[in-house]
Amino acid sequence: NAGVTQTPKFQVLKTGQSMTLQCAQDMNHEYMSWYRQDPGMGLRLIHYSVGAGITDQGEVPNGYNVSRSTTEDFPLRLLSAAPSQTSVYFCASSYVGGSIDGYTFGSGTRLTVV
Amino acid sequence: GDSVTQMEGPVTLSEEAFLTINCTYTATGYPSLFWYVQYPGEGLQLLLKATKADDKGSNKGFEATYRKETTSFHLEKGSVQVSDSAVYFCALAPYGNNRLAFGKGNQVVVIP
Repeated sequence: NAGVTQTPKFQVLKTGQSMTLQCAQDMNHEYMSWYRQDPGMGLRLIHYSVGAGITDQGEVPNGYNVSRSTTEDFPLRLLSAAPSQTSVYFCASSYVGGSIDGYTFGSGTRLTVV
Repeated sequence: GDSVTQMEGPVTLSEEAFLTINCTYTATGYPSLFWYVQYPGEGLQLLLKATKADDKGSNKGFEATYRKETTSFHLEKGSVQVSDSAVYFCALAPYGNNRLAFGKGNQVVVIP
């Protein structure tokens, strides 16, 4: 089925560890983004990309890196995990940013940092 | 900057009751407006949208009207079901901007 695939679904990290959250889409969407969802905070934009080779920061980029080498993939890297990064992470894509067709979301990665 | 404000707190109501969730926005120009729904353990799904003033978006019995004069996009459903229990997010896409801005969401619990 076409859509946005995120892996893993669940992850527990120790403080200071690094990891990569994977996001892949098969809809040929140019725009991809990462959000984190925290209780009472809604969704906050971490990083986004308007096409292969182009990325930019969102509201809360500190502690995260991204790259976009292909149209399909947009991994999110945690460089040195901290308890404050415990959250649910969502990847979303669309044909263009701010698209009137809305975004397609993945099912999320629940990350716990201990 | 562009932002969305949703009413505070969860919403608990009985089956077949009328649901309203308030959403107001701040934006320059002519944004597109959306409601997304998140069922337990899942990602967000687009529920409905409106792209210009006075447009009414509708889907699955839910409706919302783009009111530029009051900068609002309130979500309504005339008779809710238990299956409507979810978190509902209002969102805004500024014209010509790459970022989708979300409200904080409202948990809706429908009791049989």
